[in-house]
Amino acid sequence: GAGVSQTPSNKVTEKGKYVELRCDPISGHTALYWYRQSLGQGPEFLIYFQGTGAADDSGLPNDRFFAVRPEGSVSTLKIQRTERGDSAVYLCASSSSPNTEAFFGQGTRLTVV
Amino acid sequence: AQSVSQHNHHVILSEAASLELGCNYSYGGTVNLFWYVQYPGQHLQLLLKYFSGDPLVKGIKGFEAEFIKSKFSFNLRKPSVQWSDTAEYFCAGRPTSGTYKYIFGTGTRLKVLA
Repeated sequence: GAGVSQTPSNKVTEKGKYVELRCDPISGHTALYWYRQSLGQGPEFLIYFQGTGAADDSGLPNDRFFAVRPEGSVSTLKIQRTERGDSAVYLCASSSSPNTEAFFGQGTRLTVV
Repeated sequence: AQSVSQHNHHVILSEAASLELGCNYSYGGTVNLFWYVQYPGQHLQLLLKYFSGDPLVKGIKGFEAEFIKSKFSFNLRKPSVQWSDTAEYFCAGRPTSGTYKYIFGTGTRLKVLA
């Protein structure tokens, strides 16, 4: 597609459940980012991939959060044992290289009830 | 620690007024700087970017920003705002080496009155 695609656009889950959020970057983009945005805040960095490897995962809040990008394209953010505090919009972005600007998707709004 | 701060959280202007949104960054090395905009119900879009060279950069929709290294600032300006500029504006910085993660400010919500 022309832009970064994220699915689902909305996800409601019960506390304690496992969720997966998917990101399809722009074709050919090697760099992929995950961010989390809470109401009234700027995007907060979670993890950055260059190709298949996580180049920087320093933003993952704890070991319940994990992300993969097995073939260097699509990425999945996985959250185990969800908590109400995980409720936020999860943003994905990609760029053609680390030195170019990133393009963002629409985000997945996660609500943990 | 790397950080980006935006001083104005909410700004209300009338159409045709001039706009300046403040952004300051704190980084240990060379940094690329960005302004992103989020219109209601839409995704973050790039307004403009500074990588190197002329510190006055021009972006889309008549926006510009000036990189002042001595003040660690990258303020966004527009001489005459329109109602359609109502949106949330985010300043972001990214190191040019090492980790390439973006650090965002908390955003400025702009409302332009028709």
